[in-house]
Amino acid sequence: AQRVTQPEKLLSVFKGAPVELKCNYSYSGSPELFWYVQYSRQRLQLLLRHISRESIKGFTADLNKGETSFHLKKPFAQEEDSAMYYCALSPQGGSEKLVFGKGTKLTVNP
Amino acid sequence: NAGVTQTPKFQVLKTGQSMTLQCAQDMNHEYMSWYRQDPGMGLRLIHYSVGAGITDQGEVPNGYNVSRSTTEDFPLRLLSAAPSQTSVYFCASSYSGGGVEAFFGQGTRLTVV
Repeated sequence: AQRVTQPEKLLSVFKGAPVELKCNYSYSGSPELFWYVQYSRQRLQLLLRHISRESIKGFTADLNKGETSFHLKKPFAQEEDSAMYYCALSPQGGSEKLVFGKGTKLTVNP
Repeated sequence: NAGVTQTPKFQVLKTGQSMTLQCAQDMNHEYMSWYRQDPGMGLRLIHYSVGAGITDQGEVPNGYNVSRSTTEDFPLRLLSAAPSQTSVYFCASSYSGGGVEAFFGQGTRLTVV
């Protein structure tokens, strides 16, 4: 069965500190992995996806198939990064059946 | 483009009532999906569709019906509302293919009393 685990429900850091949001997955095939973000009073939106190997708003995430992880990292957190972050897996490649983790609420303190 | 539009934004139902949550997208996306978001549970898939006339069940389909008569619309019907269906409901759409972005509506907050 597909499963996405985000072990931290809450994460609090100070502005300028590094931040890492953990994501582990369970899937027998080759998954597509995503990070989605939900800022206060805004709709859920894509932050980045592993297939693009891109950096968005200073965030990066590397797929580690050996450890089945897709951790999200940013070297210097900003207050505007405060949001709910969801790791998601696409079991068949398409995004019609995303499997989400339970989310991590990141708070960046001034 | 309006993107993905959900109506209503808020709704209060009495137990046993039925209603339809509306979802429309104007991006000509083949795929559409409904999720529910509960505190501490993340988003869970209710139903999804890969094209007009084609729907399938997700992780938590009981108590919900869907249909997809057009590419643009994907309504979610609650047949007989129960307090356990109190949640925030999100509709999403995407193109077909791997690694594509899903676009989400702003959500419908439903309370069943």
